Amino acid sequence: DAGVIQSPRHEVTEMGQEVTLRCKPISGHDYLFWYRQTMMRGLELLIYFNNNVPIDDSGMPEDRFSAKMPNASFSTLKIQPSEPRDSAVYFCASSQDRVKAFFGQGTRLTVV
Amino acid sequence: GESVGLHLPTLSVQEGDNSIINCAYSNSASDYFIWYKQESGKGPQFIIDIRSNMDKRQGQRVTVLLNKTVKHLSLQIAATQPGDSAVYFCAENPGGYQKVTFGTGTKLQVIP
Repeated sequence: DAGVIQSPRHEVTEMGQEVTLRCKPISGHDYLFWYRQTMMRGLELLIYFNNNVPIDDSGMPEDRFSAKMPNASFSTLKIQPSEPRDSAVYFCASSQDRVKAFFGQGTRLTVV
Repeated sequence: GESVGLHLPTLSVQEGDNSIINCAYSNSASDYFIWYKQESGKGPQFIIDIRSNMDKRQGQRVTVLLNKTVKHLSLQIAATQPGDSAVYFCAENPGGYQKVTFGTGTKLQVIP
């Protein structure tokens, strides 16, 4: 398996624009997580899904953030409208057991 | 004012020496712990895990020790190599449907 695949690897966008981050989890993993990593706050869990259903979205910072998982092999994290403080590295991870997560390479988002 | 990022503790070790990275966890009910390694520009990578009914687990060149009395976890790396240079995170699973939480991380620098 190729592991968790995220795209794009880097994204630079202007404030106010919509940003969509994409993730393909490892086949057979029932859990999918979206994390955000910044120097200020470290690694934060934004939301996680089990069998394509959102279970805990308490980490989603604002209504500007939304995540979907239309099927077992694809998920998106959308920010609309984006702001400079959203600049961070966003990681997608998947797991068979909710705790032992396998991370993608991340998307480095810069909002100018 | 100027924003201040997380101050990552840094451990500098001579190549070939053993490294010990420490982590204090917060929840006495946590039943499962994981160590992750994050190299620059990459996502966290699973290294080793331990359940709360154990106090020691060994892998290849790595050993994790768990002291539940003082809520302390350590990762020992034998014969540290330049490729071990990375940030190391501990993560704890509080159990049930509570979120896995990550520590702030320790940066390991290996001096050739």
